[in-house]
Amino acid sequence: AQTVTQSQPEMSVQEAETVTLSCTYDTSENNYYLFWYKQPPSRQMILVIRQEAYKQQNATENRFSVNFQKAAKSFSLKISDSQLGDTAMYFCAFGSYGNNRLAFGKGNQVVVIP
Amino acid sequence: GAVVSQHPSWVICKSGTSVKIECRSLDFQATTMFWYRQFPKQSLMLMATSNEGSKATYEQGVEKDKFLINHASLTLSTLTVTSAHPEDSSFYICSVEMGTRGEQYFGPGTRLTVT
Repeated sequence: AQTVTQSQPEMSVQEAETVTLSCTYDTSENNYYLFWYKQPPSRQMILVIRQEAYKQQNATENRFSVNFQKAAKSFSLKISDSQLGDTAMYFCAFGSYGNNRLAFGKGNQVVVIP
Repeated sequence: GAVVSQHPSWVICKSGTSVKIECRSLDFQATTMFWYRQFPKQSLMLMATSNEGSKATYEQGVEKDKFLINHASLTLSTLTVTSAHPEDSSFYICSVEMGTRGEQYFGPGTRLTVT
């Protein structure tokens, strides 16, 4: 079974600054998906960004970008120009081709300080 | 992405009773839905995969007779917690698998409190 590791339990960042969250995973597969989800205080899980393992180009979605290092099995999330609405728990998730279950990391709490 | 609703958003029930939670895919026909459980400040724990028209696939350690899942249509899956006990109190979240891109879209969750 795949494991996803997030090791920074809580991080604070000043509004407008940048914060980076780390995620590593363990798999023997070559093709897979990686995701970052956020869970704000409302507890609604929201998809932030998605990366397919076969793509070398790092995914970006507005202020959110990833640094995908396939050989190192690393998938970090960078939040630029942090906003108060970015305050949330962020979960890294791994998905296999042909197996629709997602493996989630334990999450990183991000608090944006005004 | 898909729009997913859950009902109720919060329910309190007495120990020994059963409670049903509905998960609806509002704009997408979902062959597969998932049910998760989340304890405070913890990650999501997959309970089962719900497949339309067939039996759910439960994760190891999840009692299928206690957590009954019915996926009767492409837009509705239900989770029934039978003979609820205080230790079943938790946040239950459903999700919909959309297309072949591996993405899941989540409902807003249901907070269950068993007294």
